[in-house]
Amino acid sequence: EADIYQTPRYLVIGTGKKITLECSQTMGHDKMYWYQQDPGMELHLIHYSYGVNSTEKGDLSSESTVSRIRTEHFPLTLESARPSHTSQYLCASSGVGGGGNEQYFGPGTRLTVT
Amino acid sequence: GQQLNQSPQSMFIQEGEDVSMNCTSSSIFNTWLWYKQDPGEGPVLLIALYKAGELTSNGRLTAQFGTTRKDSFLNISASIPSDVGIYFCAGQNWIQGAQKLVFGQGTRLTINP
Repeated sequence: EADIYQTPRYLVIGTGKKITLECSQTMGHDKMYWYQQDPGMELHLIHYSYGVNSTEKGDLSSESTVSRIRTEHFPLTLESARPSHTSQYLCASSGVGGGGNEQYFGPGTRLTVT
Repeated sequence: GQQLNQSPQSMFIQEGEDVSMNCTSSSIFNTWLWYKQDPGEGPVLLIALYKAGELTSNGRLTAQFGTTRKDSFLNISASIPSDVGIYFCAGQNWIQGAQKLVFGQGTRLTINP
């Protein structure tokens, strides 16, 4: 059973607001990821981290930023939300299992920007 | 970027039928993973494959790592209502980079009782 948590699960917010999506895992995994997914569509990697103080941009360009100050915590921030940011955001982590390729996902945050 | 071509995109079957879906690429992969996603939830890892030709089962699910390393297959036997959802393949290779995955477009499975 994967122990990775995301809050909030649902968020409706107005344009221009700053938001932070929280992601925490209790598995001691060193690698963490953020994906963006439109409903029923494929997942696109937007950020990843291989450890504390390590962050990289993913394959899909995103206006969001991330930080990794603690191993278990990988928050994602949007400084000024826009309707184009409306999507589902999924956080994942991986450890040593399968050479670090077995990623375990949180339940997601569904973001709607009005 | 790389693409994984997953098919079929959707399936409508009767309860009790067997299901087959596959994922193909023009690139060689080192790892193939299969996930299931229920509505409003994150994907759940079903099966992980690490060697060409490997055949792995998880209950009624069986997945295979293609011998060319460019494809993978997932079979579900005797489908039941809780099998409904979207199934995603995911792969890792040197192009994608270590510990990074590329995902297929998903196969949406619907079961008629």
